[in-house]
Amino acid sequence: QTVVNQEPSLTVSPGETVTLTCASSTGPVTNNYQPNWFQQKPGQGPRPLIYSTNNKYSWTPARFSGSLLGGKAALTLSGVQPDDEADYYCLLYYGGAGVVFGGGTKLTVL
Amino acid sequence: QVQLQESGPGLVKSSETVSLTCTVSGDSISNHFWSWVRQPPGKGLEWIGHTFFGGSISYNPSLKSRVTISVDTSRNQFSLNLNSVTTADTAMYYCARLIVDSQHLRIDPWGQGTLVTVSS
Repeated sequence: QTVVNQEPSLTVSPGETVTLTCASSTGPVTNNYQPNWFQQKPGQGPRPLIYSTNNKYSWTPARFSGSLLGGKAALTLSGVQPDDEADYYCLLYYGGAGVVFGGGTKLTVL
Repeated sequence: QVQLQESGPGLVKSSETVSLTCTVSGDSISNHFWSWVRQPPGKGLEWIGHTFFGGSISYNPSLKSRVTISVDTSRNQFSLNLNSVTTADTAMYYCARLIVDSQHLRIDPWGQGTLVTVSS
């Protein structure tokens, strides 16, 4: 079964830049996998942040950006703020086989 | 503004079937794919499956034998049936719109979620 891997946890200080990654067990991630990123805070539902690798929603803060990096999908937060502390999930699309979520990254801002 | 609202029983017994409905407002159910996603307490998101009104359906292989997703265009709703449930199926269940074209894939908006607890 296809597995999508993310860093289980990351810790960053306010103002720093951090990159979260999303890897597929099937091989390098390309734009064809349509990487999506979601933010989830405690007690809330998932909030879409990025779709199709690097496209932002109207509500996505400018400090969030998506890309492909070293065969993985990546979410970069530039100038992290305390409010960015949350769980982040990536999603990859496998065509007729559907979609798979990554296990999530718990981002702590200290 | 497109809105999705899940509804269904909050508590079901082990071995029974849980049936959930997602009511869509602000968009036609005939226009897009529609998805179900779940999240067990304290765990990550798990895609259950998605459907298009024309019959195209895709399910998570790990759940495929127990899941049915269907569309009711007359009520602008889509539904999830999950049979032979166990306590492992206890989760928050979300419905969401899935937009797919040749260039993009996005999952937005999402419903607020409905908690399903399976009792043993």
